[in-house]
Amino acid sequence: DVKVTQSSRYLVKRTGEKVFLECVQDMDHENMFWYRQDPGLGLRLIYFSYDVKMKEKGDIPEGYSVSREKKERFSLILESASTNQTSMYLCASSLLQERQPQHFGDGTRLSIL
Amino acid sequence: AQSVTQLGSHVSVSEGALVLLRCNYSSSVPPYLFWYVQYPNQGLQLLLKYTSAATLVKGINGFEAEFKKSETSFHLTKPSAHMSDAAEYFCAVSERSGGSNYKLTFGKGTLLTVNP
Repeated sequence: DVKVTQSSRYLVKRTGEKVFLECVQDMDHENMFWYRQDPGLGLRLIYFSYDVKMKEKGDIPEGYSVSREKKERFSLILESASTNQTSMYLCASSLLQERQPQHFGDGTRLSIL
Repeated sequence: AQSVTQLGSHVSVSEGALVLLRCNYSSSVPPYLFWYVQYPNQGLQLLLKYTSAATLVKGINGFEAEFKKSETSFHLTKPSAHMSDAAEYFCAVSERSGGSNYKLTFGKGTLLTVNP
């Protein structure tokens, strides 16, 4: 069964900390995505990557960075966490020719105190 | 710029009743359109997609959606609701954003409740 696995379901961090959210997919997909989901706002794209070491900014990249050193792994980094980054974070992947995320992870609910 | 409007943040139906979830989009070019479903405490799952072939698209779990260009709509329907359909549903539109990149914009979601 194909899977997108996010390392943590729940995470609590403090303001100012550097936070890493990890995502691994086992489908050999080229595209990987990071979204945040907030009530009433739907999903908003933070960053995406279509190849190793390649990244593109999404709609809300401020305060975030990403790393893709291996094809199967896409990491989201909060450089200095702030309370307004408390949210649900969703990772997704798809084949290069697909125009949308195909498979999603179960999400990481991140709380910044 | 493209946008997606889902009419009704919360829809409630009885088990066995018709499900109708509304989605309207704005796009300057022919779009690709999608419906996703999110069950509690899970990620999103692709229900169906429209890619400029047949205007009536069939998806998983008995759902279907019809692309109506004149109305800029892509409403999701299911003839008979089941308790297991209770979830949040997201409509999304994809449009070329330059080069070979495509930008996917999500609606804000509709929470479907199914009453016994």
